[in-house]
Amino acid sequence: KAGVTQTPRYLIKTRGQQVTLSCSPISGHRSVSWYQQTPGQGLQFLFEYFSETQRNKGNFPGRFSGRQFSNSRSEMNVSTLELGDSALYLCASSSGWETVNTEAFFGQGTRLTVV
Amino acid sequence: SQKIEQNSEALNIQEGKTATLTCNYTNYSPAYLQWYRQDPGRGPVFLLLIRENEKEKRKERLKVTFDTTLKQSLFHVTASQPADSATYLCALDSGGYNKLIFGAGTRLAVHP
Repeated sequence: KAGVTQTPRYLIKTRGQQVTLSCSPISGHRSVSWYQQTPGQGLQFLFEYFSETQRNKGNFPGRFSGRQFSNSRSEMNVSTLELGDSALYLCASSSGWETVNTEAFFGQGTRLTVV
Repeated sequence: SQKIEQNSEALNIQEGKTATLTCNYTNYSPAYLQWYRQDPGRGPVFLLLIRENEKEKRKERLKVTFDTTLKQSLFHVTASQPADSATYLCALDSGGYNKLIFGAGTRLAVHP
């Protein structure tokens, strides 16, 4: 069973540009969550999608957005990049509707560097 | 808001000993708590999940306890090996679908 796949693995962008990251969840998983990981803030929740609907959103500015397609693949977009957006962006997929019984399966992440 | 604290200092132990990592939380009563392992440059890997009505959970050399009165979870690695060296993350459910709140993680270093 293939794991969670994130592309690309590494990205270097310039301030002011925008970027799109992709995540393919484990087959059959309908929930996809996105997290930002930085040395100073740790892992922080960005948003979660289930069957193409955003069900939950973290405390990030509107420059961070996402979507989910009918095949459960998800993309996140960051517009007007700032230096502080440099981070490891992680995608996690889960099989369940609720939080109670589900473990999250993480991808390898996309390392974004903004210069 | 919910807050999770893990010992930010690295934990150094000798091979064969038991490592004990601590996760404390405030301002919340989670339904469950999870532990993950993260190696450098890789995504977290799920280890154990424990529910609020469970006191203890085991998986091979790993043991987790959950004390809802103390608002604390302890994570034990028994008979530790150098391969257990990694950062261990504690995560709580936020009460909102699949949103997890993570602690900063504790780095464990097991020396031969």
